[in-house]
Amino acid sequence: EPEVTQTPSHQVTQMGQEVILRCVPISNHLYFYWYRQILGQKVEFLVSFYNNEISEKSEIFDDQFSVERPDGSNFTLKIRSTKLEDSAMYFCASSEIGTGANVLTFGAGSRLTVL
Amino acid sequence: GQSLEQPSEVTAVEGAIVQINCTYQTSGFYGLSWYQQHDGGAPTFLSYNALDGLEETGRFSSFLSRSDSYGYLLLQELQMKDSASYFCAVRSDSGYSTLTFGKGTMLLVSP
Repeated sequence: EPEVTQTPSHQVTQMGQEVILRCVPISNHLYFYWYRQILGQKVEFLVSFYNNEISEKSEIFDDQFSVERPDGSNFTLKIRSTKLEDSAMYFCASSEIGTGANVLTFGAGSRLTVL
Repeated sequence: GQSLEQPSEVTAVEGAIVQINCTYQTSGFYGLSWYQQHDGGAPTFLSYNALDGLEETGRFSSFLSRSDSYGYLLLQELQMKDSASYFCAVRSDSGYSTLTFGKGTMLLVSP
């Protein structure tokens, strides 16, 4: 069964450092997403990406965040200068278009710990 | 904006039936989805309702009443492996959709 893969599974970084989280979405999916989940809390939307540009973004997705699709398979989330409150599990997801956009396939997540 | 309300925790025994409710407030509405998450792992899609009524997928069913802004997930013949968090999520934009998740309901199934 096709799956979304994310790397790294866990990253520890110092406050103020840049972090890049990587994702390989399902190959025939056209929508890509980043969500995050602070431990024990709900899954929060960060950004959606379609046709090589950001479709929607939340208030969380400020100037410190950026996304990129550098090639035909990878989808990355960059945090420019990490803060303690960025510590969370970051999930990448992808979906088809139309009604298929209701069915998100999530990756296993990248746990970010900011010290 | 949108908000979703669901119970924080539900407990049940193996073999029982449990219902997890979700009420929502959105500026538009294009469907209610349910996702399962085990131990902070990847959320997994369970079910989706765009129209009123019941959708059945094996042991899981989901119901939607758009007039009441209400839905529920029904889990039958509960198994220990069903112990997980269950999130309802709404799609409230007709364009490039964004799923907004509720805070989740932790289901604890005991023997």
